[in-house]
Amino acid sequence: NAGVMQNPRHLVRRRGQEARLRCSPMKGHSHVYWYRQLPEEGLKFMVYLQKENIIDESGMPKERFSAEFPKEGPSILRIQQVVRGDSAAYFCASSPRGRLKREQYFGPGTRLTVT
Amino acid sequence: AQRVTQPEKLLSVFKGAPVELKCNYSYSGSPELFWYVQYSRQRLQLLLRHISRESIKGFTADLNKGETSFHLKKPFAQEEDSAMYYCALSVWSNSGYALNFGKGTSLLVTP
Repeated sequence: NAGVMQNPRHLVRRRGQEARLRCSPMKGHSHVYWYRQLPEEGLKFMVYLQKENIIDESGMPKERFSAEFPKEGPSILRIQQVVRGDSAAYFCASSPRGRLKREQYFGPGTRLTVT
Repeated sequence: AQRVTQPEKLLSVFKGAPVELKCNYSYSGSPELFWYVQYSRQRLQLLLRHISRESIKGFTADLNKGETSFHLKKPFAQEEDSAMYYCALSVWSNSGYALNFGKGTSLLVTP
């Protein structure tokens, strides 16, 4: 099991461009969480998804940000018209169903730099 | 509201010395507490969870509900313990088991 995969690891975008961050959960995991880490800060919850469903997106900015977790393929965090303040490390974590679903396994993160 | 506080941004100790990384939380109910560690250029990984009451790599952490603390301790620090340590709290909500993290403490163990 390769663990949670994220790509790209580093992403540079100019202001106004779109950023797409991908997260492939561990095999057999059906829950995905996205977190954002601003410089000098801890990780902050953004969105919680299950396959084909957004369960809670209360931590995600209302505009420009969206997330999906399709039936097939990775989870995608999409940021439209990026601004400098979007520069951060974005982590996803996956968890299994059932009794063990409290345990989250993290990907290596994507470092987004907006120039 | 949930909050996790790690008062020390940086902690430097000598090899072999005891180490304690502080974590305080605020939550009125019964949360689940975790310690995550991030070694240089590696991903965040779970170190301890309070309900397991186990020792990993010599580290222990006891939940003190009276003081609302979950400090991480190790009696004899090793150089390979140098890393970023995050305390986190989890409560079941609409957000599933989303984790609420502190800002982290960077531990540096010097020879």
